[in-house]
Amino acid sequence: EVQLVESGGDLVQPGGSLRLSCAASGFIFTNFAMSWVRQAPGKGLEWVSSINAGAGSPHLADSVKGRFTISRDNSRDTVFLQMNSLRGEDTAIYYCAQALSTRGYNLYWGQGTLVTVSS
Amino acid sequence: EVVLTQSPGTLSLSPGERATLSCRASQTVTDSLAWYQQKPGQAPRLLIHDASNRATGIPARFSGSGSGADFTLTISSLEPEDFAIYYCQQYYTRPLTFGGGTKVEI
Repeated sequence: EVQLVESGGDLVQPGGSLRLSCAASGFIFTNFAMSWVRQAPGKGLEWVSSINAGAGSPHLADSVKGRFTISRDNSRDTVFLQMNSLRGEDTAIYYCAQALSTRGYNLYWGQGTLVTVSS
Repeated sequence: EVVLTQSPGTLSLSPGERATLSCRASQTVTDSLAWYQQKPGQAPRLLIHDASNRATGIPARFSGSGSGADFTLTISSLEPEDFAIYYCQQYYTRPLTFGGGTKVEI
């Protein structure tokens, strides 16, 4: 059974940093790209970032480019999202999702971790 | 950026009725379109990929059609568990984008 478990969400002040983790199990991690998708409270879905299976070719949405970094540790079956210079508009549930490629649909999703940016 | 417009915003139906949801793209996305279902407090779940292919374990009452810029998700006979929000997503070009969602309510 595919499982994706996010962690690291918290309340952080504007300008602060946070690192999200997503631990994967139930599939061969190195066969899949991984993505982060976020959902602001009461709003729709927004793609944030994707990384391919080999940890290369990271892609970021323009709204987070220069502030967020995606990475993965294939020895630990984990993908990360480093978030710097956080803003109020980054407040959202952040979902980790599995994909066939960095330009692909998301087959399985984690339950999400809440990031709140507020003073 | 490809903008996806979903309509209607809300669909009010009864169990057993047919639901037809629309997703229109601002430019062609060929058949690189997926549909997701999201229930309150839950993560999205993949229903359809490549415009018309059901994901693993998805009941046959869900079907997708269309190509280019116009797509439809049809639920042939609504079950109580189908009342949820449905999102379309294009993955033809970056940035990947989602539609604003259609809420299917009782």
